[in-house]
Amino acid sequence: GQNIDQPTEMTATEGAIVQINCTYQTSGFNGLFWYQQHAGEAPTFLSYNVLDGLEEKGRFSSFLSRSKGYSYLLLKELQMKDSASYLCAVRDKSNDYKLSFGAGTTVTVRA
Amino acid sequence: DTGVSQNPRHKITKRGQNVTFRCDPISEHNRLYWYRQTLGQGPEFLTYFQNEAQLEKSRLLSDRFSAERPKGSFSTLEIQRTEQGDSAMYLCASSVGVLAKNIQYFGAGTRLSVL
Repeated sequence: GQNIDQPTEMTATEGAIVQINCTYQTSGFNGLFWYQQHAGEAPTFLSYNVLDGLEEKGRFSSFLSRSKGYSYLLLKELQMKDSASYLCAVRDKSNDYKLSFGAGTTVTVRA
Repeated sequence: DTGVSQNPRHKITKRGQNVTFRCDPISEHNRLYWYRQTLGQGPEFLTYFQNEAQLEKSRLLSDRFSAERPKGSFSTLEIQRTEQGDSAMYLCASSVGVLAKNIQYFGAGTRLSVL
């Protein structure tokens, strides 16, 4: 299976930038996903990386290095509503139907 | 609303009782997934349907768990003889399997508390 590691908690100030790292180990990488989850709500899709490089979508960007088994999610111009858990998930070629999730990183944005 | 819908949102039951949850996927999504999430953890894969066929079951899914997707539309997850360890959030997701990204869209989940 996949070993997916991400920090448990991060705190940042409104308007600042936060980078959430994710490392993974998998034998047949077939995509990495980032989801945002507010307490008691559904995980919502943020980004998808399958090739090396940076994917930018508004205030959120995601980076992937397949050779290093590494990804990060960059949140810019933080807003209070960005306080949530951010989940890194990996898909493997051997079972392309399921996602293996990390434990999530709880981001707290302070005024 | 065209998102994934799950009912009920909350379920409290006594140990030993049976419970059933329902998931209505996004229309025309042929793949449907069940995950379980406990506090402070990411979702863990339980099972997966392509149309009406259940194609994979995790070892996490004991014999007390059964899932169905009749006619390839909504799905139900039943837990028989519930145990306190079954207390968790049960999440359903759906996707269009033919696309390369195959993004899974999640429902808000059913929170089960077994007393």
